[in-house]
Amino acid sequence: NAGVTQTPKFRVLKTGQSMTLLCAQDMNHEYMYWYRQDPGMGLRLIHYSVGEGTTAKGEVPDGYNVSRLKKQNFLLGLESAAPSQTSVYFCASTLAGGSVGELFFGEGSRLTVL
Amino acid sequence: QKEVEQDPGPLSVPEGAIVSLNCTYSNSAFQYFMWYRQYSRKGPELLMYTYSSGNKEDGRFTAQVDKSSKYISLFIRDSQPSDSATYLCAMTHSNSGYALNFGKGTSLLVTP
Repeated sequence: NAGVTQTPKFRVLKTGQSMTLLCAQDMNHEYMYWYRQDPGMGLRLIHYSVGEGTTAKGEVPDGYNVSRLKKQNFLLGLESAAPSQTSVYFCASTLAGGSVGELFFGEGSRLTVL
Repeated sequence: QKEVEQDPGPLSVPEGAIVSLNCTYSNSAFQYFMWYRQYSRKGPELLMYTYSSGNKEDGRFTAQVDKSSKYISLFIRDSQPSDSATYLCAMTHSNSGYALNFGKGTSLLVTP
């Protein structure tokens, strides 16, 4: 049982390049989230999804797009990377209902934009 | 102002000490309160969960929620070097897809 898997784990981009981060969960969870974590800023919500085919904006959505075409996958896209997007990105998932608050996180994807 | 405020520390204590970690919040809609633990270069893991006001105990850990004061706490008794990590408070409500609002995290170091 792999849980939440993020790929890639590390990536270096040049300003203006695009890339996609993939999050895959094998727990049949309905809800999925993308957070970024920066020193002194804590975890901030980028986008989230409450089910296949749905997405919603979080606290810091600008410069990012997401898609949830399959229940088990949640993709985070950077269309034109900027140095301000250098961060550690975490994907998380949870069951709905009685599992409120119990998010399962991936190991993180460390992105550097030069 | 962030909805959830948490002193980032760092906090350094000797082994065996009682540790107190705290968060305040501004959104009265929050109903569910959590503490996550994050080791270096790892994802956060759920440590404690509390619904509404009250106390919850799990081994050496006690979580307290005071909704009237918008204040939550985590107490660690008989702290161990293995407790050295960053502790993040988090909270949520039903109107946000249960997305968690996190504090900045408090870095804790327990020295032998």
